[in-house]
Amino acid sequence: TQLLEQSPQFLSIQEGENLTVYCNSSSVFSSLQWYRQEPGEGPVLLVTVVTGGEVKKLKRLTFQFGDARKDSSLHITAAQPGDTGLYLCAGGQGGSEKLVFGKGMKLTVNP
Amino acid sequence: GAVVSQHPSRVICKSGTSVKIECRSLDFQATTMFWYRQFPKQSLMLMATSNEGSKATYEQGVEKDKFLINHASLTLSTLTVTSAHPEDSSFYICSARDGRKTQYFGPGTRLLVL
Repeated sequence: TQLLEQSPQFLSIQEGENLTVYCNSSSVFSSLQWYRQEPGEGPVLLVTVVTGGEVKKLKRLTFQFGDARKDSSLHITAAQPGDTGLYLCAGGQGGSEKLVFGKGMKLTVNP
Repeated sequence: GAVVSQHPSRVICKSGTSVKIECRSLDFQATTMFWYRQFPKQSLMLMATSNEGSKATYEQGVEKDKFLINHASLTLSTLTVTSAHPEDSSFYICSARDGRKTQYFGPGTRLLVL
């Protein structure tokens, strides 16, 4: 069974601080997605990374896919209260259509 | 971006009744849709993969006779929870896969079985 471990699982920070979320596995993935989910809503896709070593930026969010395609990180700069939510990473394999989800990181940004 | 809708967003039903949840891809065709279940403060658990025009593929431990899936068109999949019981109360989320293999999620359906 493939597993994706996310750390930390919970984080509460002040507005303006930086943070990094990690997503690790012993398995290789052909792609990795990051989603943000708010309470009572479905996950919203933030980014998809497919190439080892790939870095993508989305405003204050920076995503990196590990060289070996086993891990990924999400860095948020100058966090804002609107960044509050559950951040989920999900890995896909080339031969399978399924996504394997991590348990998520619940972020709270206090004003 | 791609939009996926779910209906209803919330449903309350009595124990023993059946509930149907619809998942639609609004601006793209999806040959494959997925159904997930999410318990409070937990991640998404894949229940089944829904393929247009063929039988759904269920994950281990998911009863196919209890969770009936129909993928009748390229934009619609339905999940019917049959003879619902309180332990079936949960947040059910669907996703639809586009041609580039990206999954887009619906807003979820909150089911409460009394």
